[in-house]
Amino acid sequence: QVQLVESGGGVVQPGRSLRLSCAASGFTFSDFGMHWVRQAPGKGLEWVAVISYDGSKKYYVDSVKGRFTISRDNSKNTLYLQMNSLRGEDTAVYYCAKDDRASAFDIWGQGTMVTVSS
Amino acid sequence: SYELAQPPSVSVSPGQTASITCSGDKLGDKYVCWYQQKPGQSPVLVIHQDTKRPSGIPERFSGSNSGNTATLTISGTQTMDEADYYCQAWDSSVVFGGGTKLTVL
Repeated sequence: QVQLVESGGGVVQPGRSLRLSCAASGFTFSDFGMHWVRQAPGKGLEWVAVISYDGSKKYYVDSVKGRFTISRDNSKNTLYLQMNSLRGEDTAVYYCAKDDRASAFDIWGQGTMVTVSS
Repeated sequence: SYELAQPPSVSVSPGQTASITCSGDKLGDKYVCWYQQKPGQSPVLVIHQDTKRPSGIPERFSGSNSGNTATLTISGTQTMDEADYYCQAWDSSVVFGGGTKLTVL
């Protein structure tokens, strides 16, 4: 079935780096744009980044520009989020989500928790 | 930056109709979608392109969008519908509303 599975979360000190992965299955991964969305504890959803189906276009929320990098490997059906210079305010559950080509996210992963703390 | 405003909470009695609003400048000119999120779970798309229900979403969920306001309507609300609901649209980037906690009591 259609599935997204995130991994790579954990506890990290401020200023350090972490890379998240999102393994896709059940659909043609290379046909769809993909997003990262995060949710701080007890808070709402915040869009983080998007990458086009072929990886040629990438966009970020202002608060992560220059620190986070979204990428994908279509041969491995995997989406990535490289997070550098992490801050306390980056603490959140990070979800990957599939773009349905019509402005919505139709498939979400289960999320991976990132905690930035000394 | 573009903003979407939702009421923090809405209460409804079982079997009644719940309406959750989402407001933004000229929102009717954009596609709006809605997500349901239950505690400890990932969001689930319940309405896309303003009015369309994905496969598997009950018919009691419907949406509308006009002017500056989009509305998610749940007819014959059930206790299982108790959740947080988020609207979402695209402006220059993806924007989510702040979320509405729907209580069914």
